[in-house]
This record gives sequence, C-alpha cells and structure tokens, in this order.
Amino acid sequence: QAGLTQPPSVSKGLRQTATLTCTGNNNNVGDQGAAWLQQHQGHPPKLLSYRTNTRPSGISERFSASRSGNTASLTITELQSEDEADYYCSAWDSSLGGWLFGGGTKVTVL
Amino acid sequence: QVQLVESGGGVVQPGSSLRLSCEGSGFTFSRYVMHWIRQAPGKGLEWLKGISSDGGITYYGDSGEGRFTISRDNSKNTLYLQMDSLRVVDTAIYYCAKESDSFDIWGQGTMVTVSS
Repeated sequence: QAGLTQPPSVSKGLRQTATLTCTGNNNNVGDQGAAWLQQHQGHPPKLLSYRTNTRPSGISERFSASRSGNTASLTITELQSEDEADYYCSAWDSSLGGWLFGGGTKVTVL
Repeated sequence: QVQLVESGGGVVQPGSSLRLSCEGSGFTFSRYVMHWIRQAPGKGLEWLKGISSDGGITYYGDSGEGRFTISRDNSKNTLYLQMDSLRVVDTAIYYCAKESDSFDIWGQGTMVTVSS
C-alpha cells in the first residue's frame, strides 16, 4: 500500500540537532522529492520546504531538507522551544495521481 | 496579504450534506491549483481532493471519493467542497490549501462534526 512513513516522535535537547525521516517509494519521494510542513497545536500547517530542499521566504535556515533515494529528511539545527510541533512530509505520487502525507512526527525539545 | 478563509462547517447528523467554501485573497486565485485537506481530531493530515486552476480537472484520493465534490468559481475567488452522505468518520477540521510546488498557503480550517 502506498504511503509515506515517518517515525511518530523525536526528542532532543535544547540547541541540539534533530533529523526527521520520511520514507516513500519510486513513485513519490524517489520521483519528485518531498515537502515538509510544521504544525503547532491548534494552528494550520506551515510549509517549511519544497522540492526537497527549497525554503519559502521567511523560513529559518535552521531547517534544511534533503533526499537520498526514496527517503527524505528534515534536519533542524539549534533546536528551540518553539520548534516543538508536529512535522509532516508530503509528496505527489505519480502512480496514484494524488498527494500523500506522512503520518507526522512529533518533535519534543527537552 | 495572501489569505485563505474557509467557512461552512458545523455540526450535522450522519447522512447529511454540507458545502464548505474557501475564499482566497491577496493572490491571483484563478492561476493556482487548489486543494481540500482534512485532519481528524488528534490525527494526521489527509489529502482529499484537488482542482486545476480553470476547474477542468479534478484530482482525488480514496477518502470521500464519490461523496465529496470539489469545484471552484474563479469569478468569486472561491473554492468549494460539497460533502454528501456524511459519516461520523468525516468529523475533522477541513483545510483548503493553495498549491505552488507544494501546499504553500493554508486557511485556518473549518470544523465539521458529524454526530447523531
């Protein structure tokens, strides 16, 4: 079954680095890469990166994305308390002809 | 200021219908593919449907297929989601989103509760 797989949670200390992963297949992440979105509790999602590693204006350089094969990654450096949120990956699936979301990763800053 | 504002949510009984609206402003609405995405309480994001800039092509996932219909009126800068035969499992926040390489702009969402 097609889908994007993310670990449910990641916990890191203040000012540490967190790396989130998103695994798909050749029809989605491996084809056109993934986008990453951040969602704080009670708020709509916000786009952090697209086309695998392009940041919209206003997004901190502490957020960087990459891809290796069918796995996309989001690295958050110098973790801050405000980085506590849910993070979702998203990708177009050329086989399904639709968009997919990962299940989300909850980031906790200790 | 680029903005999307959803409306039309509420509390309805199973089997009911509801039409959601999403009005865009601050950008040329008619140039962009638009989408509906939902999020059940405490759950992740689920893409529902998309529609091409001119409304001629629709894209859909597994959820709501056949029961949900996406449409748009570019003269009113408005996106719609007609939801029929609603079920308890359709309870969620419904977001509209603008597509520019990905979902770059989101509305605040409108809550739909299906309960008897």
